[in-house]
Amino acid sequence: SQQGEEDPQAWSIQEGENATMNCSYKTSINNLQWYRQNSGRGLVHLILIRSNEREKHSGRLRVTLDTSKKSSSLLITASRAADTASYFCATDDDSGYSTLTFGKGTMLLVSP
Amino acid sequence: DTEVTQTPKHLVMGMTNKKSLKCEQHMGHRAMYWYKQKAKKPPELMFVYSYEKLSINESVPSRFSPECPNSSLLNLHLHALQPEDSALYLCASSQGPGLNYGYTFGSGTRLTVV
Repeated sequence: SQQGEEDPQAWSIQEGENATMNCSYKTSINNLQWYRQNSGRGLVHLILIRSNEREKHSGRLRVTLDTSKKSSSLLITASRAADTASYFCATDDDSGYSTLTFGKGTMLLVSP
Repeated sequence: DTEVTQTPKHLVMGMTNKKSLKCEQHMGHRAMYWYKQKAKKPPELMFVYSYEKLSINESVPSRFSPECPNSSLLNLHLHALQPEDSALYLCASSQGPGLNYGYTFGSGTRLTVV
């Protein structure tokens, strides 16, 4: 999970398995976004889910949002070695400026 | 063109040097951002430009000076940095300010201050 002051978690799975990452947030949001980062390079936008949506799909990705629990999950189905990366959720920050604040991140290692 | 281009990719500078990081996008995005990322940490917002005007400065030390010469370019001028400023500096853009759009990130400049 990405939450509070926890360090990023690291997950190791085998190719073909499903990977689920969780994200918690503290304030009400307009939307929540997921990003992938490979080897400390730039982040890639994966999916945006709005506060009035509960589930969204994009290819092998499935994102859920539970605003009552202030949480979201990212599911990667049939993982591949190329999915090895850090995954970040991002939401509005609580300053009122409507910019993205990133969670601590989850490092996923997919072994062949 | 659907990319954000950052140059240089790597930079080593002394504490007395002056250098600049450059960011360029040709997607017509009207909001641009600088983020700083330390190893194994999430990106942290530094500056936001909205329609070429600085709208947010997240209490960044004055040794970092942003500049937006036009709607496609964003610079970050560096002067008298400290070793603790060594990090990955990421530029991003979005169609507009606010959070209705995803951000497009560049691949970053890895800065080492010696």
